[in-house]
Amino acid sequence: QLQLVQSGGGVVQPGTSLRLSCTASGFTFSAYAFHWVRQAPGEGLEWVAFISSTGINKYFADSVRGRFTISRDDSKNTLFLEMSSLTGDDTAVYYCARVEDTPRPNWFDPWGQGSLVIVSS
Amino acid sequence: DVQLTQSPSSLSAAVGDRVTITCRTSLNLGEYLNWYQQKPGKAPNLIVYAVSTLHSGVPSRFSGSASGSGTEFTLTISSLQREDMATYYCQQGYSSPPTFGGGTKVEI
Repeated sequence: QLQLVQSGGGVVQPGTSLRLSCTASGFTFSAYAFHWVRQAPGEGLEWVAFISSTGINKYFADSVRGRFTISRDDSKNTLFLEMSSLTGDDTAVYYCARVEDTPRPNWFDPWGQGSLVIVSS
Repeated sequence: DVQLTQSPSSLSAAVGDRVTITCRTSLNLGEYLNWYQQKPGKAPNLIVYAVSTLHSGVPSRFSGSASGSGTEFTLTISSLQREDMATYYCQQGYSSPPTFGGGTKVEI
């Protein structure tokens, strides 16, 4: 069964850091690329970051570039999102999602269950 | 970034109704348009990919199509069921970054 299980969300103060994890099972983790997508309360879906199957190619949304880092540990079937200098605008549910590693972004399946990040003093 | 405009933003329909959601863009996306269903408090789930291919396990009352220009896409629920109450999002997989429509909330 294809599955992505997320961990690491929580309430943090502005300016601090947080790391999200996304652990995969049911498929060959190293063969796939991954995205992080977030959803602010009551809002739509916003793409955040991408990492290729090799880990070499990484892309970020303008809103998080320079503050967020994406990485992967294929030995642990785990994807990470390191977030720093957090602000209230980063408050959202963060989802990891798998994609085929192709030249075009293609479709997202499956998705993790989501990690709630609240940035508040 | 490729902009996707979904309409309507919300709709209310009865069980058994035919429901149509539209996603428009200015760029010819070819087959690179996907649809997701998101129920309250849950992650999105892929329901249609590559314009018209139903994801595994998705009921056949769902279907996707495109206009000839490749700029207008439609998700249709042929006979709305109570469990279809959700927000639906289109997503383009044609160019980076991937982008999503604003969503259509379907109420019963």
